[in-house]
Amino acid sequence: AQSVAQPEDQVNVAEGNPLTVKCTYSVSGNPYLFWYVQYPNRGLQFLLKYITGDNLVKGSYGFEAEFNKSQTSFHLKKPSALVSDSALYFCAVRDSFSGNTPLVFGKGTRLSVIA
Amino acid sequence: NAGVTQTPKFRILKIGQSMTLQCAQDMNHNYMYWYRQDPGMGLKLIYYSVGAGITDKGEVPNGYNVSRSTTEDFPLRLELAAPSQTSVYFCASSPLAGGPYEQYFGPGTRLTVT
Repeated sequence: AQSVAQPEDQVNVAEGNPLTVKCTYSVSGNPYLFWYVQYPNRGLQFLLKYITGDNLVKGSYGFEAEFNKSQTSFHLKKPSALVSDSALYFCAVRDSFSGNTPLVFGKGTRLSVIA
Repeated sequence: NAGVTQTPKFRILKIGQSMTLQCAQDMNHNYMYWYRQDPGMGLKLIYYSVGAGITDKGEVPNGYNVSRSTTEDFPLRLELAAPSQTSVYFCASSPLAGGPYEQYFGPGTRLTVT
């Protein structure tokens, strides 16, 4: 079975400070991991994904994520937060052993960047 | 290339009414999905389809029906609407379901049942 957890419902950060949004996963095989962002009244937009290889993945809008196999984590990071980064962020996973199955999403973390 | 489109954007239904949420994609993707998003609950998969004529249940299929007669369209039917179906509904598509392929989402339909 595959699952993903986002332990924080809300993250608050001051503009210009680094931000981290946490995600942990559980899979039987190897994980394919994804981050999505949802702005108010919009659909989910793909940010980045980890397939294999380099543990640091770079994505859209200056975001990056670090894959840590030993901690089964895939935290989303940005060196300097912008007010416009305020949104709902979703982590998702697919197990390489799961065949043709849809992504499994976390509950989401609301990021608030304060000016 | 419009991606994934959904209509309507908003709808208010009375209890017991029925409606169809429309979803279309122009990316020639084989796989399509319907999710509902409840506040603080993340996304829950309702139904998905691996190609025309083939559909499968997700986590929360009760109260919904789907059909997939073409590659492009994947409508979601609500029969006998109930207040518990008040939610935001998202349609998504992907070229393949397995492996490292991400899903592409539509803008959503906000449904209120009163």
